[in-house]
Amino acid sequence: DIQMTQSPSSLSASVGDRITITCRASQNVYNYLNWYQQKPGKAPQLLIYAVSSLQSGVPSRFAAGGSGTDFTLTINSLQPEDFATYYCQQTYSARTFGQGTKVEV
Amino acid sequence: QVQLHESGPGLLKPSQTLSLTCTVSGASVTGGSYHWSWIRQPAGKGLEWIGRISASANSNYSPSLRGRVSISLDTSQNQFSLRVTSVTDADTAVYFCAREPPNIVGATSLWGQGTLVTVSS
Repeated sequence: DIQMTQSPSSLSASVGDRITITCRASQNVYNYLNWYQQKPGKAPQLLIYAVSSLQSGVPSRFAAGGSGTDFTLTINSLQPEDFATYYCQQTYSARTFGQGTKVEV
Repeated sequence: QVQLHESGPGLLKPSQTLSLTCTVSGASVTGGSYHWSWIRQPAGKGLEWIGRISASANSNYSPSLRGRVSISLDTSQNQFSLRVTSVTDADTAVYFCAREPPNIVGATSLWGQGTLVTVSS
């Protein structure tokens, strides 16, 4: 199984901040790396697919990159609606999610 | 507009079989190159991928659950279903059905609202 490790597990931020979340895969997942946002009581929403492609309707303040085993999600100018939990996911071999990063005030 | 809706018993006893159905509206489960998935989330914890089935009924499962899990299509009802045998309290979770479209490296772009399944004696 491919393991996905996110850091940090949680972070405190303020509106307007720029934050970065890291995701590391236990082996090369090539470009099969996606990011999701989940708010309490709701299903996750796809933000980014294939490392850096923005899903339709996702604001451009979300950006992502990386390659191989190391990936990042950056939110530029954090907005109130961005306080949520973020998950990375590899889809190279089966599917595995990271443990999540909670972004809170 | 395509929508997914999970349904099934919310309470099970240990050793029973969990059966959930996802009803798809606005699209056919046999149309296109989509995959139909199940993902679960224990309370306060992260997401766990369970498995998926293609429009042509080919299925893939999580290695950690393989052997206890099966996913099937019901084309007459435009649904897909999940079965998990011999459940324990570790199977208590919100279960989401979802759809993977082609051409976005297997990302999941459409989710149901989720349904809570509790395993308790």
